[in-house]
Amino acid sequence: EIVLTQSPATLSLSPGERATLSCRASQSISTYLAWYQQKPGQAPRLLISGASNRATGIPARFSGTGSGTDFTLTISSLEPEDFAVYFCQQRSNWPPYTFGQGTKLEIK
Amino acid sequence: QVHLQESGPGLVKSSGTLSLTCAVSGVSISGLNWCSWVRQSPGKGLEWIGEIFHSGSTNYKPSLKSRVSISVDKSKNQFSLQVRSVTAADAAVYYCAMGSIPGDFDYWGQGTLVTVSS
Repeated sequence: EIVLTQSPATLSLSPGERATLSCRASQSISTYLAWYQQKPGQAPRLLISGASNRATGIPARFSGTGSGTDFTLTISSLEPEDFAVYFCQQRSNWPPYTFGQGTKLEIK
Repeated sequence: QVHLQESGPGLVKSSGTLSLTCAVSGVSISGLNWCSWVRQSPGKGLEWIGEIFHSGSTNYKPSLKSRVSISVDKSKNQFSLQVRSVTAADAAVYYCAMGSIPGDFDYWGQGTLVTVSS
């Protein structure tokens, strides 16, 4: 089973700042990585698939990069609605698909 | 607009069977769609349980495979989850999710909380 490790666990930033979230896989997963955003009481929402492809309706301030074992989600300029928990997820080696433990992006 | 809605008992007795259904609207399960169940608990984060294709082909998380079944009812455009011999560790918010590619979860239900009683 592939383990995804996200860092940092919590990121404290202000609106307008740039956010950089990391996800590291325990073995190479090519670009079979997705990023999700989850707000309290809501289901996760797909942001990025294939490591770098924004899902329909996702603003351009969200971008994903990486391949192999190291991946990054960048939010170029934080909006108030971006403060949430972010998860990465792999579909390279399955079953099972696996998720990272999440990064909480909080307002500083 | 694609909409997924989970339904089922919110309370299950320990050693009993958890049964949930996901009603799908806005897209046909009979199309090229993979249907999954994912659960979330404070202790374990997001955990993929298993998936089914409209043909009936299934894949399960190996550690849950002996207790889990996923089925599809194309006539009702819905799919279902059963977890047998539940314990407190099975208490979680259960989500149904769908995607056009295995492992891509483009659409999610709102989630349903399942509590396990002793």
